[in-house]
Amino acid sequence: AQSVTQPDIHITVSEGASLELRCNYSYGATPYLFWYVQSPGQGLQLLLKYFSGDTLVQGIKGFEAEFKRSQSSFNLRKPSVHWSDAAEYFCAVGARGNTPLVFGKGTRLSVIA
Amino acid sequence: SQTIHQWPATLVQPVGSPLSLECTVEGTSNPNLYWYRQAAGRGLQLLFYSVGIGQISSEVPQNLSASRPQDRQFILSSKKLLLSDSGFYLCAWSVGTGQYEQYFGPGTRLTVT
Repeated sequence: AQSVTQPDIHITVSEGASLELRCNYSYGATPYLFWYVQSPGQGLQLLLKYFSGDTLVQGIKGFEAEFKRSQSSFNLRKPSVHWSDAAEYFCAVGARGNTPLVFGKGTRLSVIA
Repeated sequence: SQTIHQWPATLVQPVGSPLSLECTVEGTSNPNLYWYRQAAGRGLQLLFYSVGIGQISSEVPQNLSASRPQDRQFILSSKKLLLSDSGFYLCAWSVGTGQYEQYFGPGTRLTVT
């Protein structure tokens, strides 16, 4: 069965600084990988996804993520953080078939001036 | 385009009262449907998922039940609420064949008093 680890519970960055959120997965085959963002009191919004091909994927809101098979990682990055990026971020892994995605426990991002 | 609705948006219920949360999806056919719960400060907990009408998989033994009376309708119920049922309930959908990302509704905030 697949699993996801997000090692950082809470990260604080300054506005304009770069951001990297870590995600490690466990899955025996090529995974399907996702990053979601959740603003307070709202549902989750899909930021980006990786199925195959180019290991660097671009998403919405200026985010990107890189799939590294050797490290079993799918870290989320943004070169310059805006205050509106403050939210909870979830990494998820999926398998073939109709099984549900497995989500990490999330990383809360705070942005300071 | 596809949209997902959840209602009510917020709910305050006394302990021991029944519960019914509804989720409907528009713009797609035969979606996979999911119910998640977020307790305060914690990650996503998958409660139920359904790959078709009348087909419900339960992920954890709960005070809760789910039903899918129509293709695009998913209902979460309880006969008697517990304090521990408080949380943020999220419904999600996905298309099973070839696409694995899940799309989330806006959520229902349930407070059991």
